[in-house]
Amino acid sequence: AQSVTQLDSQVPVFEEAPVELRCNYSSSVSVYLFWYVQYPNQGLQLLLKYLSGSTLVKGINGFEAEFNKSQTSFHLRKPSVHISDTAEYFCAVTGRANQGGKLIFGQGTELSVKP
Amino acid sequence: DGGITQSPKYLFRKEGQNVTLSCEQNLNHDAMYWYRQDPGQGLRLIYYSQIVNDFQKGDIAEGYSVSREKKESFPLTVTSAQKNPTAFYLCASSMIQYGYTFGSGTRLTVV
Repeated sequence: AQSVTQLDSQVPVFEEAPVELRCNYSSSVSVYLFWYVQYPNQGLQLLLKYLSGSTLVKGINGFEAEFNKSQTSFHLRKPSVHISDTAEYFCAVTGRANQGGKLIFGQGTELSVKP
Repeated sequence: DGGITQSPKYLFRKEGQNVTLSCEQNLNHDAMYWYRQDPGQGLRLIYYSQIVNDFQKGDIAEGYSVSREKKESFPLTVTSAQKNPTAFYLCASSMIQYGYTFGSGTRLTVV
């Protein structure tokens, strides 16, 4: 079984500042990792995913994340945020062995970008 | 364009009623999922289906039922046994190399 912990429930930041949203996971098997963004009253949009290969993953809207197997982390970063990045962000994990298996989510991190 | 369509966007249920939420996908994905979202609790898995005519319970299946008669469709019924059904419901489908694709959600309110 897998689990995900997002270490910050809320992250306030000023526009054009860098941001890091932290995600740790637990799993007894190899995993696939995802970050999603959710705007109010909408579904989830995929930001980026780690399936294999390079541990630095680049996604949409200037976001990137680094898979660290030894620390079981998958932190999301952006060097300069915009007001439009204000949203809730979810880290998620699924086990590699069972394709089509369930995706387990963290509790979410609310990113608030202030002018 | 391929995607997932959830309907209706808003749904109101009276006490003791069953209601059915629709989820249709044209992505040709084998697996489909239903999640429930409550404020501060992230997304919790209700049911999922990896192939047609088969489905498994998730973490909070009590008070819900599903069917998977067609690859494209995975409707969720919220029964009267679900004591606290007010929530935002999200449907998803997956093919692992593309990640999991989500619909735009249905907000269910008990009146």
